[in-house]
Amino acid sequence: EAGVTQFPSHSVIEKGQTVTLRCDPISGHDNLYWYRRVMGKEIKFLLHFVKESKQDESGMPNNRFLAERTGGTYSTLKVQPAELEDSGVYFCASSQGLVRGKVSNEQFFGPGTRLTVL
Amino acid sequence: GENVEQHPSTLSVQEGDSAVIKCTYSDSASNYFPWYKQELGKRPQLIIDIRSNVGEKKDQRIAVTLNKTAKHFSLHITETQPEDSAVYFCAASWQGYGGADGLTFGKGTHLIIQP
Repeated sequence: EAGVTQFPSHSVIEKGQTVTLRCDPISGHDNLYWYRRVMGKEIKFLLHFVKESKQDESGMPNNRFLAERTGGTYSTLKVQPAELEDSGVYFCASSQGLVRGKVSNEQFFGPGTRLTVL
Repeated sequence: GENVEQHPSTLSVQEGDSAVIKCTYSDSASNYFPWYKQELGKRPQLIIDIRSNVGEKKDQRIAVTLNKTAKHFSLHITETQPEDSAVYFCAASWQGYGGADGLTFGKGTHLIIQP
């Protein structure tokens, strides 16, 4: 079974530009989470999708960040315009949720996208 | 919101010795406490987790303990080996039958196993 995949693995952009990160969760996983780790700090929650709906976006830093999950499969996270402080590693994770009456909430992480804003 | 503190930030132990990493959390509603291991350049991977209805859980050389009253939980690795060298993250969240919140992570512990 393929794990969570993310694209690109690295992105270097200039301040003011736009970047779109993509996450493909494990097939069949209803829950999709975005996290960010800024250099030297903890991994911070950004938002949570259940299928195509935003369940919790309390961690999104500001309105320069836009996440979508149309169709409830893959998700994109767009940063527009990017600022220097947006640099970091963006992780995506997915979990199965409720399946056949059983809850499986273990979150499987992708390899991350390293974003550098110059 | 939830706040998770993790100590120490760096831990160096001799191969074969034990390692203990400690975390505290602030939100009494949290009921799920996973531990992730991240090797250099790789993704975080779940190594063990514990739910609030259990005080201790073991898996071979790894164990986790939880004290709900004190809001403390700890990771114990016995008979450490070179492949245990990595960054370890503790986390906390609420999980229920209908869903699960995002994880709140500690800042990580860099575990170094000295040969």
